[in-house]
Parts: sequence; structure tokens; C-alpha cells
Amino acid sequence: QVQLVQSGAEVKKPGASVKISCQASGYTFTDYYMYWVRQAPGQGLQWMGLIHPSGGSTTYAQKFQGRVIMTRDTSTTTVYMELSSLRSEDTAMYYCARGIDALDIWGQGTVVTVSS
Amino acid sequence: DIEMTQSPSSLSASVGDRVTITCQASQAISSNVNWYQQKPGKPPKVLIYDASNLGTGVPSRFSGSGSGTDFTFSISSLQPEDIATYYCQQFKNLPLTFGGGTKVEIK
Repeated sequence: QVQLVQSGAEVKKPGASVKISCQASGYTFTDYYMYWVRQAPGQGLQWMGLIHPSGGSTTYAQKFQGRVIMTRDTSTTTVYMELSSLRSEDTAMYYCARGIDALDIWGQGTVVTVSS
Repeated sequence: DIEMTQSPSSLSASVGDRVTITCQASQAISSNVNWYQQKPGKPPKVLIYDASNLGTGVPSRFSGSGSGTDFTFSISSLQPEDIATYYCQQFKNLPLTFGGGTKVEIK
């Protein structure tokens, strides 16, 4: 079946970086954009950016420009999201989601906790 | 950026009631709106795409309408399993933006 499986929870100190993986299966990896969306505790959804697995092109939300890098490995059908210079406000659940217009398949989420 | 103003932020209704949520875009976005349901501890699930199209396997009690700047999401007969937070999202332009969410509870 179509699914996205994300890497496990992370605990990081302020200033560190985190890299989350999202492995896709059950569909043609290069046919869909992959989006990253985060959700702070008790808050709403915030789009971080997208990557097109076919060519690797990316578009990032301005809020994260300079701090986020999205990459992909077509051989393992995996996308990665790396966020650097972490601060406490980055504590959140991070989701990858497949889509073209609608985000129709979501990963299970990866909790990132930033704490000294 | 296109701002999506969603209301109400929360509501309480009885089983069987009709529930309506609205979303207003800060500029015209044609029908480029999706609606998601998120239950606690779970990722969002798309219920309605492109303003009015029912997602795969989504019960017919869910519906969406609207175009331009004003959009409506409805549950025709609220069921206990519909307890969740609902979000609208526009895909007319990047960045994708979401409404603030509507938490639906049973009265």
C-alpha cells in the first residue's frame, strides 16, 4: 500500500541540527511532490517547503530560508529534511506528505524536541 | 502570502446536527482549497479537495463548496467519530497556507 514512513523522535540542543527521513513506498516516487509540514504542540499546521523527487528541485517557506535543506535519494525512495540552528520554538511534530495539489498521504510524524 | 481565515475556532454540536465551518481567503483563489481532518495524535487526512470533491473513501456526510474567497465545509449529520480538528488549506500559490483550525466537539 502507499505509505510514508518517517524516522524516529529526536531530542536536540539549541543550535544543533536535525535531519528527518521519510521513506516512500507503494507508488512511483518521482510522480509526486513531497511536502514538509510542521505542527507545534497544540498549534496549527505550518508548511515548510517541498521537493520534487524527480529533479530534486526545492521551494522553501521564507520563514525557513537559510535553515532548511530538503534532499532526496531516488535509489531508496527517501526524502530528507534537515533543519539547522534549532531553537526551542522548533519543538514540533514534523510531517512529510505526498501530493500534487492535495496532500493525500502523510507520514506518521516525527517529534523533534529542542531543549538544553 | 495568502491568509486563510477559518471560523469558528471551535464548536460543540450534538450527534446528528449539521456542522458548518467557513474559510475566507485574503485574495481570490478559484477553487484551490482542500479540507483536512486531524484526530489527536494522528496526521491530517484530506477529506475534500479542490473545494468540493470528496476524497477517496470519505463518507458522503462531508461536503465542501465555494470559490473565489469564500469556502464552506459541512458535516450533514455529526457522528461521534467526527470529533477532530478541521483545517482548510489553499494551494493557489506557494507558500501553501492553512486556516487556523476548527476543533469540533460533541455536546
